[in-house]
Amino acid sequence: AQKITQTQPGMFVQEKEAVTLDCTYDTSDQSYGLFWYKQPSSGEMIFLIYQGSYDEQNATEGRYSLNFQKARKSANLVISASQLGDSAMYFCAMRVRYNFNKFYFGSGTKLNVKP
Amino acid sequence: DGGITQSPKYLFRKEGQNVTLSCEQNLNHDAMYWYRQDPGQGLRLIYYSQIVNDFQKGDIAEGYSVSREKKESFPLTVTSAQKNPTAFYLCASSTQGAGVVNEQFFGPGTRLTVL
Repeated sequence: AQKITQTQPGMFVQEKEAVTLDCTYDTSDQSYGLFWYKQPSSGEMIFLIYQGSYDEQNATEGRYSLNFQKARKSANLVISASQLGDSAMYFCAMRVRYNFNKFYFGSGTKLNVKP
Repeated sequence: DGGITQSPKYLFRKEGQNVTLSCEQNLNHDAMYWYRQDPGQGLRLIYYSQIVNDFQKGDIAEGYSVSREKKESFPLTVTSAQKNPTAFYLCASSTQGAGVVNEQFFGPGTRLTVL
């Protein structure tokens, strides 16, 4: 069975500091993709970053980077230099090859950036 | 611009009424999805469709129905059998061409309130 676990329901970070949001996953498929989404209070889901299971380097997109540790089955999101606009819900998601039409989402982490 | 539109943004329904939420995409994606999100919670899959005239139940399909008569459209009907329909509904789409690589694109959502 496929599963995504986000163990931090809520987090606080000081503006301009870095923050790590945890995500662990479980799958027996060797080919999978991991995604992070941001959901502001408006409700829209914004795609942030992608990591493939065969990618040897950690993905980076601007201030976002993904700390991918395959052996530990973790895909933590790192946000550098936090901004007030980063306050939102963050969801980790997974897609696996054998059923790639389905996405598996974690329960989310609510990030609050303090000025 | 390509994207996903959902209408209406806000919807109020009386108990016992069926309502239909619209979802349209012009991204030429094969797969479309409906999710339900309760306050402070993650996304739960209601239905998904990989191809026209075909769809599969997700984790919480009871009380909901869908159709996929056109590639671009995937309307969701919330029936009177859904006991607690007040929630935020998100529609999404994805391409299947490259397997696990491609992310889901989301619409802006519809907030349904039962009066």
